[in-house]
Amino acid sequence: EVQLEESGGGLVKPGGSLRLSCAGSGFSFSHAWLNWVRQAPGKGLEWVGRIKSNGQPGATDYAPPVKGRFTISRDDSKTTVYLHMDSLKAEDSGVYYCTTAHLRGYDLNFWGRGTLVTVSS
Amino acid sequence: QSVLTQPPSVSAAPGQKVTISCSGSTSNIGNNYVSWYQQVPGTAPKFLIYDNYKRPSGIPDRFSGSKSGTSATLDITGLQTGDEADYYCGTWDTSLSAGVFGGGTKLIVL
Repeated sequence: EVQLEESGGGLVKPGGSLRLSCAGSGFSFSHAWLNWVRQAPGKGLEWVGRIKSNGQPGATDYAPPVKGRFTISRDDSKTTVYLHMDSLKAEDSGVYYCTTAHLRGYDLNFWGRGTLVTVSS
Repeated sequence: QSVLTQPPSVSAAPGQKVTISCSGSTSNIGNNYVSWYQQVPGTAPKFLIYDNYKRPSGIPDRFSGSKSGTSATLDITGLQTGDEADYYCGTWDTSLSAGVFGGGTKLIVL
């Protein structure tokens, strides 16, 4: 059974930093492309970024609102993907989901339960 | 403002059919595959359709997808009260080099 478990969410002040983790199991982690998707309270889904499996050219992609502030990395030995967020803004608040991609790199087949990030002073 | 456009809500009676549209452009839907997701409020989204019309294992054939040009549709037949949820389309935008979603459509089963 595929499982994804996010952690690291919490309350952070504007301008601050936070690192989210997502531990995966039940699938071939090292071959998986992993995405982050967020959802502001009462709003729709917003794609944040993705990391390809190691060795793939152009390893990461980011949504324009987070490019330059967020960094996605992975540690295949720990079957964990990370989302490091800097210069956080109020509009970055929401539930952050970790997902695997199915065939195309952006078709999101398995999702974690999400972790809540609140950016507020 | 979402890159992909969906109606905010649709409604139909149990047993009926509903269609949810998703409109984009040549940089996204027109040249990439579309997926659909179902989200019951308070839970994580669920993968419903990929590659425009294919169903993952376990998804009933009441759910079907199609794509034509720069638009995609999700059809749900034999509506059940358990189908009440928010539905999102998603794809890749080649110009943005980013994933994109529609704004979501709330399905109300009357």
